[in-house]
Amino acid sequence: DQQVKQNSPSLSVQEGRISILNCDYTNSMFDYFLWYKKYPAEGPTFLISISSIKDKNEDGRFTVFLNKSAKHLSLHIVPSQPGDSAVYFCAASDNYGQNFVFGPGTRLSVLP
Amino acid sequence: EAQVTQNPRYLITVTGKKLTVTCSQNMNHEYMSWYRQDPGLGLRQIYYSMNVEVTDKGDVPEGYKVSRKEKRNFPLILESPSPNQTSLYFCASRHRGGVGGEQYFGPGTRLTVT
Repeated sequence: DQQVKQNSPSLSVQEGRISILNCDYTNSMFDYFLWYKKYPAEGPTFLISISSIKDKNEDGRFTVFLNKSAKHLSLHIVPSQPGDSAVYFCAASDNYGQNFVFGPGTRLSVLP
Repeated sequence: EAQVTQNPRYLITVTGKKLTVTCSQNMNHEYMSWYRQDPGLGLRQIYYSMNVEVTDKGDVPEGYKVSRKEKRNFPLILESPSPNQTSLYFCASRHRGGVGGEQYFGPGTRLTVT
């Protein structure tokens, strides 16, 4: 059973609008949550993270929201740009940053 | 340039023929890890290493071996590859004290076992 779920395999958004990518997890022992972006033929690149003691973290156009009671986090991209088109992975780790569990990914397409 | 390198990038082999995928990082990172990516499953952790001579199993270690004799290198060894190990493999590294667990990934190695 997957501990980190991304229930939307794909998402299409118009350029300039908001993209919202969702992630759910089952293990309440996770302490850090991360988002990675992956382009074809490249390795994932780190985007943004959030500690379990926070409910929001912002970095430029990217904001991650964490709802611990619902075991849910989301990544907001505003405004969306065509260069944001990629696969986005949600990941979670314990407090020691040793074990990482990734979701299956959501393919975002930003249409010009 | 700070980077994680993997070799080879592509490999086609036959069942049972031992192979090694190399991983090297030039950022003096203590932590290194191997993942495999399969459709619908995301990235699954195979093994990780917190420092030289310290390795531990991830979620899917069966059929794989690793070693960490030097800080910069973390090779992945398949002693007897099988077709179910056909996958896209990524090596990653980070500073042990990195905030939020950010990892730097290599470009990937696509392995096909026939």
